[in-house]
Amino acid sequence: NAGVTQTPKFRILKIGQSMTLQCAQDMNHNYMYWYRQDPGMGLKLIYYSVGAGITDKGEVPNGYNVSRSTTEDFPLRLELAAPSQTSVYFCASSRQILGDGYTFGSGTRLTVV
Amino acid sequence: AQSVAQPEDQVNVAEGNPLTVKCTYSVSGNPYLFWYVQYPNRGLQFLLKYITGDNLVKGSYGFEAEFNKSQTSFHLKKPSALVSDSALYFCAVRGDNYGQNFVFGPGTRLSVLP
Repeated sequence: NAGVTQTPKFRILKIGQSMTLQCAQDMNHNYMYWYRQDPGMGLKLIYYSVGAGITDKGEVPNGYNVSRSTTEDFPLRLELAAPSQTSVYFCASSRQILGDGYTFGSGTRLTVV
Repeated sequence: AQSVAQPEDQVNVAEGNPLTVKCTYSVSGNPYLFWYVQYPNRGLQFLLKYITGDNLVKGSYGFEAEFNKSQTSFHLKKPSALVSDSALYFCAVRGDNYGQNFVFGPGTRLSVLP
């Protein structure tokens, strides 16, 4: 029972490079989310999706893009990486039930130098 | 707008003593309240939730939380702390209207001293 799988676990990028953070879930959850976690700041929502083909911006979407072509996958794209994007990124998923919590992946630690 | 406050960045408690991690919230509609725990280099794990019903909810690892509507609080408690409880704790809230995502607090680091 894999849950939410994120790859890679660690990555170092140079300024201006691009990369895709992968996220996959095997629970048939409709809702998926991308958060970034910065020390003392909690989790900030970057993008979310309520189903395949539907995505929407969260609190801090600038510098990121997402797509949701299947129920299982929700990749996060960083274009032109900047030092401000150094963070830990978490993907999460949930059912379409208000009383349900999120299932989180183990995170990707990204450093932009 | 939804918001969550965790007024303490750090809570230190001796092993065997009771612990409390505080959370207050603001939300439109009825609140759905959650506590998550994060161990080093791991994702967040669900601890417990309040949706409706009894104001005292019990969760994993002996933790419990009390919902107080008048004080808009949802404090996390445990009668006897363990060193293994040392971690980062997040409170999260969402309103009972569709379209509202969870808002997370900034986190409280709990250190249980042997």
